[in-house]
Amino acid sequence: EIVLTQSPATLSLSPGERATLSCRASQSVSSYLAWYQQKPGQAPRLLIYDASNRATGIPARFSGSGSGTDFTLTISSLEPEDFAVYYCQQRSNWPRTFGQGTRLEIK
Amino acid sequence: EVQLVESGGGLVKPGGSLRLSCAASGFTFSSYSMNWVRQAPGKGLEWVSSITSSSSYIYYADSVKGRFTISRDNAKNSLYLQMNSLRAEDTAVYYCARDRQQLATTDYWGQGTLVTVSS
Repeated sequence: EIVLTQSPATLSLSPGERATLSCRASQSVSSYLAWYQQKPGQAPRLLIYDASNRATGIPARFSGSGSGTDFTLTISSLEPEDFAVYYCQQRSNWPRTFGQGTRLEIK
Repeated sequence: EVQLVESGGGLVKPGGSLRLSCAASGFTFSSYSMNWVRQAPGKGLEWVSSITSSSSYIYYADSVKGRFTISRDNAKNSLYLQMNSLRAEDTAVYYCARDRQQLATTDYWGQGTLVTVSS
């Protein structure tokens, strides 16, 4: 099973700042990595698929990069609605696995 | 608009069974692979099972293999999860979710249905 490790566990930033979230895989997942945003009481929302492709309707301030084992989600300038939990997920191998999540909180 | 609506959750005793359903609309259901993903209270996301568009390929997490069965009825635009031998650790919100293409990234999610396993 591929283990995804997200860091940091919690990130405290202010609106307008840049956020950098990391996801590291225990073995290569090529570019088969996605990022999701989840707010309390809501279902996850797809942000980025295949490492660097923004999903439909996702603002340009969200970007993804990386391949192999190291991936990054960057939010260029935080908006108030961006404070949430973010998960990465790989679809390279079965079982599909998620990272444990990064909580992005308002400083 | 893609819509996925789960139903069938509730309170069940350990060892009991439950069948979850997911009604899909707003897209050609028979062309997409589908998934169940769960989230225990206050915890992260856990992939449970996936099924291809024609049910040719089915995958399960080790934690549910042999106890859960995923199925679909393309004529009814519906996805199912039969859950047997339920355990306390199966307590979670269960999400129905669509892949953007056959076995590609999961893109749309329902709002979830809560399953509580407790005596």
